[in-house]
Amino acid sequence: NAGVMQNPRHLVRRRGQEARLRCSPMKGHSHVYWYRQLPEEGLKFMVYLQKENIIDESGMPKERFSAEFPKEGPSILRIQQVVRGDSAAYFCASSPQTGDEQYFGPGTRLTVT
Amino acid sequence: ELKVEQNPLFLSMQEGKNYTIYCNYSTTSDRLYWYRQDPGKSLESLFVLLSNGAVKQEGRLMASLDTKARLSTLHITAAVHDLSATYFCAAFTGGGNKLTFGTGTQLKVEL
Repeated sequence: NAGVMQNPRHLVRRRGQEARLRCSPMKGHSHVYWYRQLPEEGLKFMVYLQKENIIDESGMPKERFSAEFPKEGPSILRIQQVVRGDSAAYFCASSPQTGDEQYFGPGTRLTVT
Repeated sequence: ELKVEQNPLFLSMQEGKNYTIYCNYSTTSDRLYWYRQDPGKSLESLFVLLSNGAVKQEGRLMASLDTKARLSTLHITAAVHDLSATYFCAAFTGGGNKLTFGTGTQLKVEL
């Protein structure tokens, strides 16, 4: 059973470009969570989604960031007009049901130049 | 708002020594996780602690939970170099369905 998959693993964007990060949950998991890890810090919750629904986006910055989890395909975290402060590792996790243990993907390391 | 604090932030120790990492959390939590992260890698789940007094051990690592004190500890026995990594605790709130992470403890075990 494949684990949580994220791509790309590394992404370099210039300031002002858009970044799209993809997350495919484990088979049978319909709950996806995105976390951000700034350098030398712990992970911080961004958003929690189920298929086609955003359940909790209390950790998402108000502007430039959006997330979706369509009926078909991976979950997407989208960052518009990236700035240097967006440079971080973005981790996706998934769980089979709400409240279950979350399994983490390998992360996408975004560098904004 | 749930806050999780770890200490120490950095820990340098010699092989063979024992040490404890502390994790305090500010409000009631449904469960407490410990993770290991190697540089540039994802998180590896070490322990999940569900109830007051829970103790779990795996090799040289032992984790415990005191829900009354809102404190979890990760004890390292006779450290070896391979344990060098960053260790995070994270508290889970079912109502929020999210993990709140501590700042991490960067452990370096000297040969």
